[in-house]
Amino acid sequence: AQSVSQHNHHVILSEAASLELGCNYSYGGTVNLFWYVQYPGQHLQLLLKYFSGDPLVKGIKGFEAEFIKSKFSFNLRKPSVQWSDTAEYFCAVNPRTNAGKSTFGDGTTLTVKP
Amino acid sequence: DTAVSQTPKYLVTQMGNDKSIKCEQNLGHDTMYWYKQDSKKFLKIMFSYNNKELIINETVPNRFSPKSPDKAHLNLHINSLELGDSAVYFCASSRETMNTEAFFGQGTRLTVV
Repeated sequence: AQSVSQHNHHVILSEAASLELGCNYSYGGTVNLFWYVQYPGQHLQLLLKYFSGDPLVKGIKGFEAEFIKSKFSFNLRKPSVQWSDTAEYFCAVNPRTNAGKSTFGDGTTLTVKP
Repeated sequence: DTAVSQTPKYLVTQMGNDKSIKCEQNLGHDTMYWYKQDSKKFLKIMFSYNNKELIINETVPNRFSPKSPDKAHLNLHINSLELGDSAVYFCASSRETMNTEAFFGQGTRLTVV
């Protein structure tokens, strides 16, 4: 069975600080990787995804993530956060051959202070 | 146009009642899901349907019964509601291909009192 671990449960930053949220997964096969964002009171939206190719993936709103296969990691980064980035961030994994079997991490709450 | 829509957005009901949440997607996707997000924000898949056929049924009480009249709809019926059922329920859909992401609805906040 696959599992996803997000190490930071709650991160508090000031505006313009750099962000890195950790995500590690365990699964024996090939996976697709995702980061979703959930703004307060809203539904989950896709931030970025990795299927194959360049392990450094760029998403919306200046976010990027790097897939390091040897470390089973897919950390999310942003060089300079804004107050509007305050949200819940979820890392998700599914086996390449079973898109429906997504497993989500526990989520990281990011609070950006103005 | 809303891609994945759920109704109602909020639902407050008493213990023991039976309620339904409806979900519709206009993306032409073959696969639909129900997720439960608890008070700690933990998101867990409950069911997955592909072309009206149940393909994932995680450990969920049998009081929860999904119904898919066609591939654009996946409704969730809950019998004998309990306090612990209070959560936000998200419907989602995706294409039936290997490389795809899920599109989520707005969520239904269910409160059982």
